Amino acid sequence: AQKITQTQPGMFVQEKEAVTLDCTYDTSDPSYGLFWYKQPSSGEMIFLIYQGSYDQQNATEGRYSLNFQKARKSANLVISASQLGDSAMYFCAMRELNTGGFKTIFGAGTRLFVKA
Amino acid sequence: EPEVTQTPSHQVTQMGQEVILRCVPISNHLYFYWYRQILGQKVEFLVSFYNNEISEKSEIFDDQFSVERPDGSNFTLKIRSTKLEDSAMYFCASSDPGTPGEETQYFGPGTRLLVL
Repeated sequence: AQKITQTQPGMFVQEKEAVTLDCTYDTSDPSYGLFWYKQPSSGEMIFLIYQGSYDQQNATEGRYSLNFQKARKSANLVISASQLGDSAMYFCAMRELNTGGFKTIFGAGTRLFVKA
Repeated sequence: EPEVTQTPSHQVTQMGQEVILRCVPISNHLYFYWYRQILGQKVEFLVSFYNNEISEKSEIFDDQFSVERPDGSNFTLKIRSTKLEDSAMYFCASSDPGTPGEETQYFGPGTRLLVL
């Protein structure tokens, strides 16, 4: 079974508008961390935002926020005021802190295109 | 801001040759990782390393692969006899999970390996 599901292979957004990238996850471990990474065309993996399973509030980092709905097992990334430089591949990822060892598990990614 | 560095950025090799990919993790991190990403596919966990030994490895990490921390700063991945299917982007990552909330693994810029 897929641990991380990103159902949107590609998304378009107009510059300066907000966009939501979907992510659902599957785990029975009560303690886990959720992450979003950005991968521009140059290939590096840039950490964007982290949400712990016990965090009461949604994580925010500048223009990035994570819409964490624990009961639905979703961890959508919201990018506000999109910029052309936001065009990239975005990966949702998870670490299962009790049962998952040390590895981070990645979704298949969503490619975001920001239009001028 | 501290970052993970990797060398070389690109490596082309002949099938059957040995390659060594090098990484310098963030200096106060204690856990180190290698991941790979075949072109157009998910990022996959290979191995984690802590306290001078492998703490976890995936089924991909077979006898052709080895890791080493030869000194206090470098972390290397060796592929003994490369195969065509080893062509991928290889990411090194490091983390300091001893700090609450700091579960994040920070990735280097990657080494793009092409096996001919």
